[in-house]
Amino acid sequence: GENVEQHPSTLSVQEGDSAVIKCTYSDSASNYFPWYKQELGKRPQLIIDIRSNVGEKKDQRIAVTLNKTAKHFSLHITETQPEDSAVYFCAARWGNEKLTFGTGTRLTIIP
Amino acid sequence: DAGVIQSPRHEVTEMGQEVTLRCKPISGHDYLFWYRQTMMRGLELLIYFNNNVPIDDSGMPEDRFSAKMPNASFSTLKIQPSEPRDSAVYFCASSLGGTETQYFGPGTRLLVL
Repeated sequence: GENVEQHPSTLSVQEGDSAVIKCTYSDSASNYFPWYKQELGKRPQLIIDIRSNVGEKKDQRIAVTLNKTAKHFSLHITETQPEDSAVYFCAARWGNEKLTFGTGTRLTIIP
Repeated sequence: DAGVIQSPRHEVTEMGQEVTLRCKPISGHDYLFWYRQTMMRGLELLIYFNNNVPIDDSGMPEDRFSAKMPNASFSTLKIQPSEPRDSAVYFCASSLGGTETQYFGPGTRLLVL
């Protein structure tokens, strides 16, 4: 099955700076890579996703990059704001409908 | 659309009791997933259904756990008997098509004493 590693487990950045979270996956057949944001006590919510036929995708301050050769993908948040503070999960899907999630990154934005 | 609905939102029970968690997927979605989230193990897929049929239950931890989907708008996850180590947040998610975005419900926070 798929194995997804996520780093770092915690990240603190100054408001206005950029944050980068990285994930690696094990199965080269993985074809879909979503990122979820989970605020304290809330449900995970999709913020951006990328498919294996695309190298980069942007949505306002959020971007995701995919390196299929190296089997890793990253979430980039620019101009961070206090409301970006949350736990972020990456995930990978291979073959069928199952998602394998990373262990999460707790992002704290320092005002 | 109301989104995925789960009940109860919080459940406190004693070891040995039966617990039933409920989920209503987004109308029209044909895939339903049950996840468990703990600090130690993160977000784990327990079981998922397609058109009310269980497809993969390899994540169900043991025979004490069972899940059903009697119709397209309702699913249950049952734990019998419950144990303290079952304490976790249980999420239900649904998607339209297996390769599309999964939308999570608000979760059920279960505490087994």
